[in-house]
Amino acid sequence: EPEVTQTPSHQVTQMGQEVILRCVPISNHLYFYWYRQILGQKVEFLVSFYNNEISEKSEIFDDQFSVERPDGSNFTLKIRSTKLEDSAMYFCASTMDGSRGYGYTFGSGTRLTVV
Amino acid sequence: DQQVKQNSPSLSVQEGRISILNCDYTNSMFDYFLWYKKYPAEGPTFLISISSIKDKNEDGRFTVFLNKSAKHLSLHIVPSQPGDSAVYFCAASVVVGGSYIPTFGRGTSLIVHP
Repeated sequence: EPEVTQTPSHQVTQMGQEVILRCVPISNHLYFYWYRQILGQKVEFLVSFYNNEISEKSEIFDDQFSVERPDGSNFTLKIRSTKLEDSAMYFCASTMDGSRGYGYTFGSGTRLTVV
Repeated sequence: DQQVKQNSPSLSVQEGRISILNCDYTNSMFDYFLWYKKYPAEGPTFLISISSIKDKNEDGRFTVFLNKSAKHLSLHIVPSQPGDSAVYFCAASVVVGGSYIPTFGRGTSLIVHP
């Protein structure tokens, strides 16, 4: 069964450093997403990406965040200058057509710890 | 701003019995609802969904009920099995810019005892 793959599974970084979280969505999917879950809290939408551009983003997704699909397979989330409150599980997801009928396929997540 | 609320953080059920997980929402614009299951160290997995034009959708042991007037939905698992032990997220979608973006609840941890 096709999977969404995320690397690394766990990333520890110092406050103020840049991090790049990587995702390989399912190959024939066209819509890509990043969500995060701070420990004990809900899964929060960050950004959606379609046709090589951001289609929607939440208030969380400020100027410190950026996404990129550099080579047609990887989908990356960059945090330019990490803060302690960026510590969370980051989930990448993809869908075939953005339709509500198919649900999302999520990756296993990257646990980001900012110290 | 909790638009999707799962008020029970945990639920414990005996194997073979029914598990009922509840979810309330506040945004009347939501028109599609989904349940996801999440095991430790894995991402959420899509389980079942329901459109706002229906009040029930069934898939094997899983049934989702929607009460639009009460802005309430529930997931029934019958019979419950130990392998169902996981965190269950309720999500609600509304179209934003041409695609649906689900809003998730905080999750309910279900434990099914043998």
